[in-house]
Amino acid sequence: DAGVIQSPRHEVTEMGQEVTLRCKPISGHNSLFWYRQTMMRGLELLIYFNNNVPIDDSGMPEDRFSAKMPNASFSTLKIQPSEPRDSAVYFCASSAGTGGSGNTIYFGEGSWLTVV
Amino acid sequence: GQNIDQPTEMTATEGAIVQINCTYQTSGFNGLFWYQQHAGEAPTFLSYNVLDGLEEKGRFSSFLSRSKGYSYLLLKELQMKDSASYLCVDSNSGYALNFGKGTSLLVTP
Repeated sequence: DAGVIQSPRHEVTEMGQEVTLRCKPISGHNSLFWYRQTMMRGLELLIYFNNNVPIDDSGMPEDRFSAKMPNASFSTLKIQPSEPRDSAVYFCASSAGTGGSGNTIYFGEGSWLTVV
Repeated sequence: GQNIDQPTEMTATEGAIVQINCTYQTSGFNGLFWYQQHAGEAPTFLSYNVLDGLEEKGRFSSFLSRSKGYSYLLLKELQMKDSASYLCVDSNSGYALNFGKGTSLLVTP
């Protein structure tokens, strides 16, 4: 079975450019999460979708970040304009239920973003 | 991760036993996960505890004390491939996971 699929795996972009990260969750999973990981802050939840609806976006750093989930099999995380401090690994993850109820969360391989 | 405390680094010898401790905030607690993350890879699920006690799964065991807000991950018969970061994770938000910063374990020959 295919796991969570993310693209691109690696991206290097210049400050000010728009970055779009893509995610295909595991088929049948109704919860989708975007996490960001840095050395300083560890793994941080950015946004959580349930049944394609954003439930909690309190972790989104600022207005430069936006996320959408137009259908059950696709989500995007967009950064516009990008800044060097956005450099991090961005993980998409999905779960068959809510992560808090004990359902395992499955992570994609991550998108490694470097903003120069 | 908010209110999750675990050691930053640990070193152990191949074949030995190591225990990684974790304390967490008990309010709104829904369960405690341990995830493993090798360098450059995604976190992968190791264990989940919601009731007090020890859960054993092969070489890895996880313990939980809800009243003390305490958990540990026990790794036996350490192998070189066990060198990784071990993330203590609680689910007090009710839907997502709240990750600690992880314990980086180095297994030496």
